[in-house]
Amino acid sequence: DSGVTQTPKHLITATGQRVTLRCSPRSGDLSVYWYQQSLDQGLQFLIQYYNGEERAKGNILERFSAQQFPDLHSELNLSSLELGDSALYFCASSVVGGGPGLAGGSAQFFGPGTRLTVL
Amino acid sequence: GIQVEQSPPDLILQEGANSTLRCNFSDSVNNLQWFHQNPWGQLINLFYIPSGTKQNGRLSATTVATERYSLLYISSSQTTDSGVYFCAVLTGNQFYFGTGTSLTVIP
Repeated sequence: DSGVTQTPKHLITATGQRVTLRCSPRSGDLSVYWYQQSLDQGLQFLIQYYNGEERAKGNILERFSAQQFPDLHSELNLSSLELGDSALYFCASSVVGGGPGLAGGSAQFFGPGTRLTVL
Repeated sequence: GIQVEQSPPDLILQEGANSTLRCNFSDSVNNLQWFHQNPWGQLINLFYIPSGTKQNGRLSATTVATERYSLLYISSSQTTDSGVYFCAVLTGNQFYFGTGTSLTVIP
């Protein structure tokens, strides 16, 4: 058990819908990262938050957004869902987020993931 | 963006055998991690190793940042080592994962 929790574990929805995935980082970790794992794209970094602020952005679609709340939990919002959004979505956390303008800087620990199926 | 290549893509081992997995990256990186994704999908952090050598039980890893590669050694493999091994690198503010090495350990 990494100490990172994600809910829900599974989510089945229809095209065009909107869903919210939730992540609670390990106690003491300030950084939260979101990743998407699909069969055709592999593991892709979406976005990182550090202590409530966006720190780094990867291949995140405009239909997707995220935020980190004062209690450090994070939510990933996926809207106007398409069949191709079906994937495993992972959240990870780490103690630090690097210096200004620099993400990472410490080991990341992953949650169990949320499997999203869009029908 | 940076290219992260892992080899071999697939590996089948007899229980007890040793193996070396390689991760090559095309540009300088700020950090590097190795992960194991078990058959249930869970991603487990193995090593945070931007440079140097670390060991944890039967696993060890070495990163030679100047030559842009990292190696993961698995000794005395067990069936529970089966799964996919990923290296992930950070360059600038972006994280990139390799395509993974799928390891199957047979009893």
